[in-house]
Amino acid sequence: SQTIHQWPATLVQPVGSPLSLECTVEGTSNPNLYWYRQAAGRGLQLLFYSVGIGQISSEVPQNLSASRPQDRQFILSSKKLLLSDSGFYLCAGIKQTGGLRSLHFGNGTRLTVT
Amino acid sequence: AQTVTQSQPEMSVQEAETVTLSCTYDTSESDYYLFWYKQPPSRQMILVIRQEAYKQQNATENRFSVNFQKAAKSFSLKISDSQLGDAAMYFCAYWFRNFGNEKLTFGTGTRLTIIP
Repeated sequence: SQTIHQWPATLVQPVGSPLSLECTVEGTSNPNLYWYRQAAGRGLQLLFYSVGIGQISSEVPQNLSASRPQDRQFILSSKKLLLSDSGFYLCAGIKQTGGLRSLHFGNGTRLTVT
Repeated sequence: AQTVTQSQPEMSVQEAETVTLSCTYDTSESDYYLFWYKQPPSRQMILVIRQEAYKQQNATENRFSVNFQKAAKSFSLKISDSQLGDAAMYFCAYWFRNFGNEKLTFGTGTRLTIIP
């Protein structure tokens, strides 16, 4: 079955430093992959999604970028972090079980920008 | 654009009682999916229940059931026999598939507290 791996689990970075969060998928090929952000006490905002290698769609203008260098790898990056980039970042992929599709999440990365 | 609204930021229920969480959504599409996800303090997102829009029958999963009113664009979650482990944030979500692009739009969530 599909498993989403995210790391690191927790990250504290100073303002202006770069960021790289990695997400890898096991148990499926050519998955649609997604990056969501959850600000403190709020809902999930879709940041990026990818339907294949090198194919990235951005949902909101921001200080972040995403890349998909391999079929099962999805990376979230920033060249210079802002305080407003703090939040909980979730990677997700589509999981199909018995003909029914749903979104399956990794365990998330808690990012604090200081 | 599709929007999902959860008008109850917080709810509480006595253990073993029943609680209903509300969700409304806005769409012009006729074929879509709706979901409820649970996020406990661990922050792991857990799928609770899903509903296909073309199905008139309401989905059920053990103690969890939905009241899907397509014309009213309403999708509420009922939790029966509430347990302490049900305490979590609950998110309603809308999924539409268009030419291979699939995106899940979430509401802002309802924090559910279980009173022992």
